[in-house]
Amino acid sequence: NAGVTQTPKFQVLKTGQSMTLQCAQDMNHNSMYWYRQDPGMGLRLIYYSASEGTTDKGEVPNGYNVSRLNKREFSLRLESAAPSQTSVYFCASSERAMGAGGAEAFFGQGTRLTVV
Amino acid sequence: GEDVEQSLFLSVREGDSSVINCTYTDSSSTYLYWYKQEPGAGLQLLTYIFSNMDMKQDQRLTVLLNKKDKHLSLRIADTQTGDSAIYFCAERGTYNQGGKLIFGQGTELSVKP
Repeated sequence: NAGVTQTPKFQVLKTGQSMTLQCAQDMNHNSMYWYRQDPGMGLRLIYYSASEGTTDKGEVPNGYNVSRLNKREFSLRLESAAPSQTSVYFCASSERAMGAGGAEAFFGQGTRLTVV
Repeated sequence: GEDVEQSLFLSVREGDSSVINCTYTDSSSTYLYWYKQEPGAGLQLLTYIFSNMDMKQDQRLTVLLNKKDKHLSLRIADTQTGDSAIYFCAERGTYNQGGKLIFGQGTELSVKP
């Protein structure tokens, strides 16, 4: 049972480079999310997709774009990486709106990104 | 706006009880959650409590909710070294925001043998 799969697990970028973080879930969930985790700051929501075909900004969207490619896949793109984007990125999915009626959110293993 | 606050570190001895505290600001929160993150891994749901409850017990875990003070706590009885992890408190954001979870900073629990 794969759950939520993120690729890559580790990445080092130079300032100004671009890259796409991939996320796929095999639980037929409607909602998908991208968070970043920084020391002492917990998880902050970058973008989310409440259902296939929709995407919305979260708390810290600047410098990122997303694509909900289909129900399974939700990618996060950094167009021009900056050192401030050094972080651990988590993708998550939930059957319905995260937290609704106690709906459990399932998280991927994370992508550790360093921008030098 | 919505905000969730936790202390960053807690250290206990094996066999003792651990109490991790959390405060939140959104009085309309209907569900409050505790997630656990082990080193190098994603977050896993530990337990949640509905806002009309004061307490929920699940084996070694006890969740207490004080709605008046907007205070949530997680008690782990007979703490083991395997409980060492970061624990996140979370409240559910409003539905028109995708019902996203608002997380606290996380409390790093260190269990010493």
